[in-house]
Amino acid sequence: SAVISQKPSRDICQRGTSLTIQCQVDSQVTMMFWYRQQPGQSLTLIATANQGSEATYESGFVIDKFPISRPNLTFSTLTVSNMSPEDSSIYLCSAEGQGAYNEQFFGPGTRLTVL
Amino acid sequence: GQQLNQSPQSMFIQEGEDVSMNCTSSSIFNTWLWYKQDPGEGPVLLIALYKAGELTSNGRLTAQFGITRKDSFLNISASIPSDVGIYFCAGATGNQFYFGTGTSLTVIP
Repeated sequence: SAVISQKPSRDICQRGTSLTIQCQVDSQVTMMFWYRQQPGQSLTLIATANQGSEATYESGFVIDKFPISRPNLTFSTLTVSNMSPEDSSIYLCSAEGQGAYNEQFFGPGTRLTVL
Repeated sequence: GQQLNQSPQSMFIQEGEDVSMNCTSSSIFNTWLWYKQDPGEGPVLLIALYKAGELTSNGRLTAQFGITRKDSFLNISASIPSDVGIYFCAGATGNQFYFGTGTSLTVIP
């Protein structure tokens, strides 16, 4: 398994500003993922981030709005740019486990409120 | 992206009762995963299933990988108050993961 931490755990931001969320994994992982989760809802994948390549974004999410960095095998950041109240949500990062089997391990999430 | 059909959407049960929830898909998966999410936390992996027909237990939890590879179920026996939370299934093939809509479980002491 992988232990994942996220910073900040929560934030309240003003409309039009940007917030960068950091995700740290305690071991080297190939694939990291960023999700958005509205309260009481399931997880929606924003993008997949592999080290050394551009992030792959899901339909409805664009790099200008959610730029992602993946500078090494243990770290990634997601920026929520030019925020509006509709961006208020929980943002989760996850990492795929090492080994032959598909498993994902999640961070504790970042609760974002945009005023 | 695709979301898996998970049922029931919510459950209210008495402490000590058994719980059963399931997840279905129109697609075949190589892996089925079950997660539990507590309020204010990220999902925590409970059980991972890798083969069709596989039945795996983790304490009071038992999950099965459906024979058709398009479904999975999770059972919780003798529920306790700390079982409260939202349970998500996930199907995976290659690097593609798809999550279920979630089952909210409330355990009444």
